[in-house]
Amino acid sequence: QVQLQESGPGLVKPSETLSLTCSVSGGSISSFYWNWIRQSPGKGLEWIGYIYYTGSTKYNPSLKSPITISLDTSQNQFSLNLTSVTAADTAVYYCAGRSHYSSSWAFSIWGQGTVVTVSS
Amino acid sequence: DIQVTQSPSSLSASVGDRVTITCRASQSINSYLNWYQQKPGKAPNLLIYGASSLQAGVPSRFSGSGSGTDFALTISGLQPEDFATYYCQQSSSFPQTFGQGTKVE
Repeated sequence: QVQLQESGPGLVKPSETLSLTCSVSGGSISSFYWNWIRQSPGKGLEWIGYIYYTGSTKYNPSLKSPITISLDTSQNQFSLNLTSVTAADTAVYYCAGRSHYSSSWAFSIWGQGTVVTVSS
Repeated sequence: DIQVTQSPSSLSASVGDRVTITCRASQSINSYLNWYQQKPGKAPNLLIYGASSLQAGVPSRFSGSGSGTDFALTISGLQPEDFATYYCQQSSSFPQTFGQGTKVE
């Protein structure tokens, strides 16, 4: 059973970089597309982007803060960097997986979420 | 971006009721529509994918239907553990987008 666990600071200052890591356990990191999704009262659920084990990425162009998602296969982890954050980036951040065997782009595995507040 | 609009935003129901939640896409998404259940303080949980396929481990009282732009999630015989918020998600094109949620209370 694949499990995900987010980690990272809960408070980030405006204009700084938000960095989160998702640790993958119980399964192969090459069997999923790894995603970041966030949820805020104002914008609801918002897909941020994904990375595949090959290193290919895709990001949501609607996000105002520049996004980088990276993968460390040796550590079975993937990470999210959002630079130059603002208060609008305050949200619960989830990592989530979509099986590459699935016919549908549905998120079948989720971390428990981590709250990130952007404030000085 | 494709917009997905859920209705109603909330509904009141009782144990045993049949509940239907609808989701409308701003353009045709074929059957690329997924449904999730979320309880307070928890991550969303996948219920239905591809508009009508039941995710493994999900009770059969949950069903999905529709194609094109109009979709529905039906709970046949609401159970106490089903009081939650439900979201649809279109996966036809990037960026994938979610509905605003329907709270069943």
